[in-house]
Amino acid sequence: DAGVTQSPTHLIKTRGQQVTLRCSPISGHKSVSWYQQVLGQGPQFIFQYYEKEERGRGNFPDRFSARQFPNYSSELNVNALLLGDSALYLCASTWGRGDEKLFFGSGTQLSVL
Amino acid sequence: RKEVEQDPGPFNVPEGATVAFNCTYSNSASQSFFWYRQDCRKEPKLLMSVYSSGNEDGRFTAQLNRASQYISLLIRDSKLSDSATYLCVATNSNSGYALNFGKGTSLLVTP
Repeated sequence: DAGVTQSPTHLIKTRGQQVTLRCSPISGHKSVSWYQQVLGQGPQFIFQYYEKEERGRGNFPDRFSARQFPNYSSELNVNALLLGDSALYLCASTWGRGDEKLFFGSGTQLSVL
Repeated sequence: RKEVEQDPGPFNVPEGATVAFNCTYSNSASQSFFWYRQDCRKEPKLLMSVYSSGNEDGRFTAQLNRASQYISLLIRDSKLSDSATYLCVATNSNSGYALNFGKGTSLLVTP
């Protein structure tokens, strides 16, 4: 079975641009979460979606938004990119909302120049 | 103050050594705790859950002390393949089912 897949794997943008990152969860998983990992830090929670509704939001500005589609895939959008948005963006899926075991995708490495 | 604090290391140990990592968490409402392993430029992978009674998985032993808000991971008989960053994690039920990650502790096992 395929694991969590994310696209693209790498992305280079310039300040002020907008970016969309995509995630497909493991088949049967209904919950998707997004995390940002800056170099040298642990992953930081951005959003959780379950059954297409936002169930949790971390301490990120409104420039960050996300959505979940009927097939449970998800997109993360970041507007007005800043240099500080350069990071590895990780998507994780679980079967249920409170499922403890997160399965992470290999991430999208975003570089903002 | 970060919700999960851990010593970033690096810990350099010879093969066969025993090494211990510790972390503390600040949110007393945290319900669940984990250790994740992350190899360089890869995604984090769940190593093991952590329980108050202590739990063991082969060479790995995890322990939780709720009174001190302290989590530990012990690795016995270290292997070269154990070289990685170990992330301490506590759940944050105030924000969906978010995981609060520490910065990670870097371990290098040398021949």
